[in-house]
Amino acid sequence: DQQVKQNSPSLSVQEGRISILNCDYTNSMFDYFLWYKKYPAEGPTFLISISSIKDKNEDGRFTVFLNKSAKHLSLHIVPSQPGDSAVYFCAASAQYGGNQFYFGTGTSLTVIP
Amino acid sequence: DAGVTQSPTHLIKTRGQQVTLRCSPKSGHDTVSWYQQALGQGPQFIFQYYEEEERQRGNFPDRFSGHQFPNYSSELNVNALWLGDSALYLCASNLATAGSAYEQYFGPGTRLTVT
Repeated sequence: DQQVKQNSPSLSVQEGRISILNCDYTNSMFDYFLWYKKYPAEGPTFLISISSIKDKNEDGRFTVFLNKSAKHLSLHIVPSQPGDSAVYFCAASAQYGGNQFYFGTGTSLTVIP
Repeated sequence: DAGVTQSPTHLIKTRGQQVTLRCSPKSGHDTVSWYQQALGQGPQFIFQYYEEEERQRGNFPDRFSGHQFPNYSSELNVNALWLGDSALYLCASNLATAGSAYEQYFGPGTRLTVT
């Protein structure tokens, strides 16, 4: 049972444009969400997070939006750079302080120079 | 400051054998989690160790077991290997205090192939 879904396996964006990566979840108990970035032959790297008490969190070029009623979150990257090309995973946790994360299947982002 | 390290990098085993994977957490971290990532899938939570005890466990059979040592390093053991156990095994560490608990740092993983 996939509780966190990333329905777009891949995304291609021109350099300088906005990249939007989407994630849906089914468990209404999830209250903390994270995005990870993964390069080949490396482990995932933490990118940005958001708790359910917020609907937006921003860190430089990266912004995560959370729509609790739709059980949907998205990651915006503006402007996109070739170095952003990687696989992006969203993850969710059901208990603040709990540490079991449920991951989506990932979206492979390619930023075209 | 060393990040999370895992050994070995790659491993080939035969069906029915047993395997042990090792993980050293990031300096200062006291909690270690293990994940299995099959090809084309996201990481699946196996279990988490804190204070040398298994604190949480995902939906994995008892063939998967682990251990955490006093220096916070950890081992993942898999018995009676199946072909379906072929995957990338990721170790992640974090410090179990509010505010940092969710920022898990991952190692590069161990690629296990079962033939």
